[in-house]
Amino acid sequence: DARVTQTPRHKVTEMGQEVTMRCQPILGHNTVFWYRQTMMQGLELLAYFRNRAPLDDSGMPKDRFSAEMPDATLATLKIQPSEPRDSAVYFCASGLYPADTQYFGPGTRLTVL
Amino acid sequence: QQQVKQSPQSLIVQKGGISIINCAYENTAFDYFPWYQQFPGKGPALLIAIRPDVSEKKEGRFTISFNKSAKQFSLHIMDSQPGDSATYFCAASLYGQNFVFGPGTRLSVLP
Repeated sequence: DARVTQTPRHKVTEMGQEVTMRCQPILGHNTVFWYRQTMMQGLELLAYFRNRAPLDDSGMPKDRFSAEMPDATLATLKIQPSEPRDSAVYFCASGLYPADTQYFGPGTRLTVL
Repeated sequence: QQQVKQSPQSLIVQKGGISIINCAYENTAFDYFPWYQQFPGKGPALLIAIRPDVSEKKEGRFTISFNKSAKQFSLHIMDSQPGDSATYFCAASLYGQNFVFGPGTRLSVLP
């Protein structure tokens, strides 16, 4: 049963600390999306990769957020330094372009104290 | 122009009833309109999707109605069941990227 996996599932950290979230897309998928979900803002697209290349990261705060794909099986989202307003659930989704369907992971719930 | 509006914010329906959720968009270039279902503690899961060259798509109890001229689309859940209780998101995208999600509708189906 192919699925997107995300680690960690929960993360509690203190303001100013570095946070790294990891995503393993479905094997063979060539697109990866990072989303942030909050009650106030809903689902926001942070970044989008195709064939490991970043195509759009306009939704990401550039000064503290960074997203990379070191290889086809791993995508990372890093926050440095973290702030309380970064508290949210972060979802990774993968897909097989040119198909439009995205498959979401279970999310990482981040709490920054 | 990238925004997708969704209503209602919450919906309560009796078992067996019809649930209707509406969405509206501005960007006429959008070419893909999916609906996602999300249960608490889970990631969104694709429910059904439509392209603008089709006015209606049905899969089981779920139907999307699409009105291109009005720039609106809606999700109809027939014979709603308690297991359908979840948050539903409409979305729109362009060329398989630039996904924009609506704010969500929390559906409760009473037994």
